[in-house]
Amino acid sequence: QIHLVQSGAELRRPGASVKVSCKASGHPLSNSGISWVRQAPGQGLEWMGWISAYNGNTNYVQKFQDRVTMTTDTSTNTAYMELRSLRSDDTAVYYCARAYCGGNCYSVSSINYFDPWGQGTLVTVSS
Amino acid sequence: SYELTQPPSVPVSPGQTASITCFGQRLGEKYISWYQQKPGQSPMLVIYDDNKRPSGIPERFSGSNSGNTATLTISGTQAMDEADYFCQAWDSNTAVFGGGTKLTVL
Repeated sequence: QIHLVQSGAELRRPGASVKVSCKASGHPLSNSGISWVRQAPGQGLEWMGWISAYNGNTNYVQKFQDRVTMTTDTSTNTAYMELRSLRSDDTAVYYCARAYCGGNCYSVSSINYFDPWGQGTLVTVSS
Repeated sequence: SYELTQPPSVPVSPGQTASITCFGQRLGEKYISWYQQKPGQSPMLVIYDDNKRPSGIPERFSGSNSGNTATLTISGTQAMDEADYFCQAWDSNTAVFGGGTKLTVL
């Protein structure tokens, strides 16, 4: 049973960067992927993209393309999401979620669903 | 871009059946997942591939998807089912979430 634990809350100034970690336990990530989803205060869920822990393939939503980098470290079973040039409207809870694929996660089209999710990391962007 | 539309709120009495809809163009041609989110908690998968339940999800949760509408049905709704529910589908290799429906158990 895989379990995801994320890093703690962060406060950043506009224009800064933040890197959120997501450590998996109970099962290797190696044949899965990790998606990142954010939720602004009182709002819905917004998918940011994903990374395959199997082959490193990434897909980023276009609006984040220039500002986000998703990585994995299979030696520590940890995924990372870095978001740069932060703005006040980036204030949100950022979730990682295991992207389950029927077999190995070759590409984003392999994904069946997101389960489980991490506990979330609140990123606050404020001057 | 592709959009999924959900009603903002659905009221239900305890023990009754709740139906939460999700509308999208030709949605029946895609697979739908549903996620439950209780206040202060992370989302949790309750339905995938339109109508499959992950282990541990009660049988009272079921799903269907046809035409332009997917439906999450909760039979014999319990107070513990009060939460926000989000539908999710894929379009052009992008995960799209509906805006969410707040299920209120009266």
